Amino acid sequence: EDQVTQSPEALRLQEGESSSLNCSYTVSGLRGLFWYRQDPGKGPEFLFTLYSAGEEKEKERLKATLTKKESFLHITAPKPEDSATYLCAVHGSSNTGKLIFGQGTTLQVKP
Amino acid sequence: SAVISQKPSRDICQRGTSLTIQCQVDSQVTMMFWYRQQPGQSLTLIATANQGSEATYESGFVIDKFPISRPNLTFSTLTVSNMSPEDSSIYLCSAGGVLNTGELFFGEGSRLTVL
Repeated sequence: EDQVTQSPEALRLQEGESSSLNCSYTVSGLRGLFWYRQDPGKGPEFLFTLYSAGEEKEKERLKATLTKKESFLHITAPKPEDSATYLCAVHGSSNTGKLIFGQGTTLQVKP
Repeated sequence: SAVISQKPSRDICQRGTSLTIQCQVDSQVTMMFWYRQQPGQSLTLIATANQGSEATYESGFVIDKFPISRPNLTFSTLTVSNMSPEDSSIYLCSAGGVLNTGELFFGEGSRLTVL
């Protein structure tokens, strides 16, 4: 059974304090790993898709990386507007287009 | 990217009643899914909405409780039947996915409160 575990559950940072969020996964034949941002009361907003180990993608202060067992979302010099819940999801070969989500990491960046 | 509209955005319902949530996508998509997000929790897949045929339900979800329709490539509905307070949740429609552009987009969600 495909599984996704995210850590930590919650993270508090000072503005400018860089850190990383972890997403560990178990999947039979990874077809894609996805990162989303979710603000309170909103639907998830797509950030990145990673397909193979060693792949990296960047968007503003965020960089996502992928290994065969986990993905990291690195946040460089975060700002208060980066505060949100970050969700990781996988699409495995046993599924048909659907994503399995982790529990999320809630990030709070204080000014 | 796909723009997904859901109606209603929120509702307060009485126990034992049913509510239908509508999802409209602004472009034709291969895949549409319905997720549930309970308070403080992550997303749990309810079912895959299949165009012109019966939906494919995940373990723990059944058609009698969550009937789904998808009459065409841009529209789907989810009905929450015979509601109880345990059904209070956010219901999210999503579309796209790896069989389309590789990205799965979400609507803003429908927040249901059952009294």
